[in-house]
Amino acid sequence: GESVGLHLPTLSVQEGDNSIINCAYSNSASDYFIWYKQESGKGPQFIIDIRSNMDKRQGQRVTVLLNKTVKHLSLQIAATQPGDSAVYFCAENRSGGFKTIFGAGTRLFVKA
Amino acid sequence: NAGVTQTPKFRVLKTGQSMTLLCAQDMNHEYMYWYRQDPGMGLRLIHYSVGEGTTAKGEVPDGYNVSRLKKQNFLLGLESAAPSQTSVYFCASSYGRDLYEQYFGPGTRLTVT
Repeated sequence: GESVGLHLPTLSVQEGDNSIINCAYSNSASDYFIWYKQESGKGPQFIIDIRSNMDKRQGQRVTVLLNKTVKHLSLQIAATQPGDSAVYFCAENRSGGFKTIFGAGTRLFVKA
Repeated sequence: NAGVTQTPKFRVLKTGQSMTLLCAQDMNHEYMYWYRQDPGMGLRLIHYSVGEGTTAKGEVPDGYNVSRLKKQNFLLGLESAAPSQTSVYFCASSYGRDLYEQYFGPGTRLTVT
């Protein structure tokens, strides 16, 4: 069935290290993937997106990788900072539809 | 721009009571959405709207109604609240539909006793 899931519910990293958050999706028809960050008590905030015709996209300190062969998505955060502590969601969209499917989220803890 | 705002921020209801959650956006977005977020779960779509005067059901619409009388506002109603509707509710809006990022409000925490 349709699903967007995360490999790890919790990730703890040392400040300054790189973080990698993984996500699996099940539908090869998905066209568009988004990573959201949700800080405690706030709504999700867009971080970066990638379309299915790409396999890598870079932003400021973040990189998203898409492996369509194994239906895998990852978010890499360089030089993780305490302000990066949050829950990260991957989300999946399909062309022609209104439904965005969100994963359950991974909580990132950054240790000082 | 204020972005997406939601009122109220918190609410406690008794079973059977009704209430309306208000969402407003000032970005001139066509599309608006209502989600609920439960512990350990991702966001689930309740209802959405593709423009003023239009609404449609999402993944979990039962027990909720919506209205979009003005482009900038999207209302979520609970006619007879149930404990299962205890959740955090998020409104979102987007410029386009499936290939555009959504902008989220700060959420409304609703408890039904």
